[in-house]
Amino acid sequence: DGGITQSPKYLFRKEGQNVTLSCEQNLNHDAMYWYRQDPGQGLRLIYYSQIVNDFQKGDIAEGYSVSREKKESFPLTVTSAQKNPTAFYLCASSETGGPQPQHFGDGTRLSIL
Amino acid sequence: SQKIEQNSEALNIQEGKTATLTCNYTNYSPAYLQWYRQDPGRGPVFLLLIRENEKEKRKERLKVTFDTTLKQSLFHITASQPADSATYLCALDINTGNQFYFGTGTSLTVIP
Repeated sequence: DGGITQSPKYLFRKEGQNVTLSCEQNLNHDAMYWYRQDPGQGLRLIYYSQIVNDFQKGDIAEGYSVSREKKESFPLTVTSAQKNPTAFYLCASSETGGPQPQHFGDGTRLSIL
Repeated sequence: SQKIEQNSEALNIQEGKTATLTCNYTNYSPAYLQWYRQDPGRGPVFLLLIRENEKEKRKERLKVTFDTTLKQSLFHITASQPADSATYLCALDINTGNQFYFGTGTSLTVIP
């Protein structure tokens, strides 16, 4: 079955440490996205990519970095510069060209030790 | 800045009744609006998309309306079932590709 796989499901970070969240899709979608979800807040866009080797900052990109070296993969690194990283992180993909539904993974919950 | 408001309180309804969820927005004129369902600990799942020139869209027991004058979308689930219990999110496009702004969601509980 086609879909989006995020790993790990749960992740713990020590202070001052960078961590990388994995996102892989086999839907052959060009566009991929990273969102952060906090209690009582909507999904907020961190980064998005419309094509391989290209990505743009979303509303809350500070303290995060991404790469898009392959169409199937869009890893997110939460750096030590992100002072409040505890959240539920969601990866999504979609086709491009007009309004397209976004297909989401089941998220990674990041906590600080 | 754009602001999207969904029902601020959780919604509890009796099985078999129609659930109506509200999505209001300000400072923006979206061309498209989407509704998603999210279960606890899972990612959102796409349900319906409606365009600004469509007043109403239906899919099985689901109905969405889009009133660009009121800046409001209503999401209806008819003949509700306990399995419909979830959080429902609305999302508005921001006209720069496939980016959407998401609301905070409304938690729906259908009581047997």
